[in-house]
Amino acid sequence: DIQMTQSPSSLSASVGDRVTITCQASQDISNYLNWFQQKPGKAPKLLIYTASNLETGVPSRFSGSGSGTDFTFTISSLQPEDIATYYCQQYANLPRTFGQGTKVEIK
Amino acid sequence: QVQLQESGPGLVKPSQTLSLTCTVSGVSITSGIFFWSWIRQPAGKGLEWIGRIDTSGSANYNPSLKDRVTISLDTSMSQFSLNLTSVTAADTAVYYCAREMEVAAGYYYYMDVWGKGTTVTVSS
Repeated sequence: DIQMTQSPSSLSASVGDRVTITCQASQDISNYLNWFQQKPGKAPKLLIYTASNLETGVPSRFSGSGSGTDFTFTISSLQPEDIATYYCQQYANLPRTFGQGTKVEIK
Repeated sequence: QVQLQESGPGLVKPSQTLSLTCTVSGVSITSGIFFWSWIRQPAGKGLEWIGRIDTSGSANYNPSLKDRVTISLDTSMSQFSLNLTSVTAADTAVYYCAREMEVAAGYYYYMDVWGKGTTVTVSS
């Protein structure tokens, strides 16, 4: 299985801050990486697909980049409604695997 | 719009079989570009992919569960199902069904529609 490692596991930032989360794959996955947002008690929501493509309807303050083994997810200006846990997920191979999640809180 | 809804018992006894159904509405379950998936999440923990089934009925499973899991498709009911045998407390989780789309001949795969999830507790 491809292991996905996210960092940090949690972070606290102020409204308006730029927030960056990294995701590292245990092997080259090209750009076959998606990002999800999960709010408490809710199902995950697709934000970014194939490393850098914004899902329809997702605010442009969310972005993703990277390829190979190293990926970055960015919130350009943190908003109160962005409080959630964020997961990366690879689709280069089966089984699909997720990072362990990054919990984003407001300072 | 496309909706997925999980259903099934919320409590299962140890060693028994967990059975869940996901009902799909708003799209044909037989469309060739979709894979119908199950993912689970223990309380306070991360997401674990259980497996998926395509519209031909071909399934893929997580090797960590492969000997215990079966995913099936009922096109007449627009449903797909999960059976997990010999459950233990470690199988207690929120179970989600999701649609995985394949776009551009496999260049893009993404789980774009999810059910709300159903909590299953394994306990005697």
